Amino acid sequence: KQEVTQIPAALSVPEGENLVLNCSFTDSAIYNLQWFRQDPGKGLTSLLLIQSSQREQTSGRLNASLDKSSGRSTLYIAASQPGDSATYLCAVSPGTYKYIFGTGTRLKVLA
Amino acid sequence: GAVVSQHPSRVICKSGTSVKIECRSLDFQATTMFWYRQFPKQSLMLMATSNEGSKATYEQGVEKDKFLINHASLTLSTLTVTSAHPEDSSFYICSASGTSGGAEDEQFFGPGTRLTVL
Repeated sequence: KQEVTQIPAALSVPEGENLVLNCSFTDSAIYNLQWFRQDPGKGLTSLLLIQSSQREQTSGRLNASLDKSSGRSTLYIAASQPGDSATYLCAVSPGTYKYIFGTGTRLKVLA
Repeated sequence: GAVVSQHPSRVICKSGTSVKIECRSLDFQATTMFWYRQFPKQSLMLMATSNEGSKATYEQGVEKDKFLINHASLTLSTLTVTSAHPEDSSFYICSASGTSGGAEDEQFFGPGTRLTVL
């Protein structure tokens, strides 16, 4: 059974810091992995989608990497800003249109 | 592109009543729609997967007679919580996948519906 874990569960950093969020999954047979942002009481905003054949994806200050064989993905946020404060979720797809979500990392960027 | 809406955004109802939540894909045809539930400070849990015109597939532990799902068209799926109880209070999020022009199998998420059962 696929399990997705995110570390740390919560993170508080001063503005301007570069930071790394971690996601690990137990079954490497995934179709793709997606990183989302969720603001309190809101739905999900897709940040980056990495297909299983890809190693990384970049969008602005965000960079996500995928190491399928070791069951890991990282989300790198450069020059963090208070507006980045949110919960970040990673989700893996086993290829059956399902997403299995991680436990989330609650990020707070202090001004 | 690839926008998914949900209605209502929040609903409060009395115990024992039924509540219907709509999920619409606004600018693409959603061949597959998903319903998730999220309890406070927890992650999303998939409840069911529905394909247009066919019966939904429910995840283990989800009562299909309590959570009725209808995917009658390529742009609309509804989730009806029947005989709601306070423990059904949660954040319900739908997502859709289909001919959006995005990456294959990518899911696009709605803004969620906050259900509170008194």
